[in-house]
Amino acid sequence: AQSVTQPDIHITVSEGASLELRCNYSYGATPYLFWYVQSPGQGLQLLLKYFSGDTLVQGIKGFEAEFKRSQSSFNLRKPSVHWSDAAEYFCARAITDKLIFGTGTRLQVFP
Amino acid sequence: DVKVTQSSRYLVKRTGEKVFLECVQDMDHENMFWYRQDPGLGLRLIYFSYDVKMKEKGDIPEGYSVSREKKERFSLILESASTNQTSMYLCASSFAGAGEQYFGPGTRLTVT
Repeated sequence: AQSVTQPDIHITVSEGASLELRCNYSYGATPYLFWYVQSPGQGLQLLLKYFSGDTLVQGIKGFEAEFKRSQSSFNLRKPSVHWSDAAEYFCARAITDKLIFGTGTRLQVFP
Repeated sequence: DVKVTQSSRYLVKRTGEKVFLECVQDMDHENMFWYRQDPGLGLRLIYFSYDVKMKEKGDIPEGYSVSREKKERFSLILESASTNQTSMYLCASSFAGAGEQYFGPGTRLTVT
């Protein structure tokens, strides 16, 4: 079955440190991939998306993600984390008009 | 900006009550979705609508029904609420074939 895996349930980083959140997807044709962020008590906000072309995509809030077909991965990165980045992050892939979500990674940021 | 609104942010209902959750989008999107979000389980699709009066079951439709009488409005109905339906409910919308979905702020439903 088509699926999305986020192997890290919870990650803690210090403010100013770099960040990488992992996402793997099950096989398929060129996937449409997304990263969303959810602040406490809020809905999901789209950070970035990959449809085709350049495998390094830039998003909002200084985030980027790299699509690696050989590793079936779409990891999210940020060079320097801010305290306001503390949230839950969801990776997703599109299957026709629907999205399949990973179970999320909760990011905690220490000052 | 796309705006997806949900009728309530917090709702407390009693077991057996009929519950209506309303969602409205202002971007003329063809698709609308209802998800349920529980800790450790991510987002699970309850129902999907791709046009007015058209619907498709998602992964966990049991105990829920939906209604879409107008393009901008998609309602989730719990016919007889049960405690295991206590959860966060998220509505989303998208253009047909677009992939990316826009989410409302969520409704945290507690059934006692």
